[in-house]
Amino acid sequence: KAGVTQTPRYLIKTRGQQVTLSCSPISGHRSVSWYQQTPGQGLQFLFEYFSETQRNKGNFPGRFSGRQFSNSRSEMNVSTLELGDSALYLCASSLGFGHLNEQYFGPGTRLTVT
Amino acid sequence: GQQVMQIPQYQHVQEGEDFTTYCNSSTTLSNIQWYKQRPGGHPVFLIQLVKSGEVKKQKRLTFQFGEAKKNSSLHITATQTTDVGTYFCARSYNTNAGKSTFGDGTTLTVKP
Repeated sequence: KAGVTQTPRYLIKTRGQQVTLSCSPISGHRSVSWYQQTPGQGLQFLFEYFSETQRNKGNFPGRFSGRQFSNSRSEMNVSTLELGDSALYLCASSLGFGHLNEQYFGPGTRLTVT
Repeated sequence: GQQVMQIPQYQHVQEGEDFTTYCNSSTTLSNIQWYKQRPGGHPVFLIQLVKSGEVKKQKRLTFQFGEAKKNSSLHITATQTTDVGTYFCARSYNTNAGKSTFGDGTTLTVKP
């Protein structure tokens, strides 16, 4: 099976712009979670989608949003980018919803905001 | 908020030495998962522990879940340079918590 794929892998944006990141989960996986990873804050949970519905949300401002499509692919959007949004954005897919499902991570999208 | 402390933050060992990282919670956990992230890579699932006092082994890695389900440990016997990376524990507090929250990780470096 192909693993989790994320596009693009690298992105450079300017403050105030918006960005959309894409994640394709492992075939058959229906849950997609998004994380922000920075050296200072570690792995921070953004949100989780299952069956096209947001099931959990982390403590991030409303500038961060996401959605999931009927084929389980997911996108996350960050509007009005700030310098502090520079990070590695990781997507993880799971077979199902819930805490007992192991997560499979994609390679991430490295976002740099200048 | 509900915190899980992962210690130590960094560990430097000589190849062949043992290594242990700990996850400690002030409240009872539903389960705990361990992940490894190699430098420049992404987290990779290692193991999940669910039962009180559970012990699982993967070759040189031993994972334990405390009797009170408030702490967990990962022990590596006779480290190798391939063990280099950051080890994260991820925990949930109840069955409706959805996906887990990650600890800050322990970064292991191994000197050959």
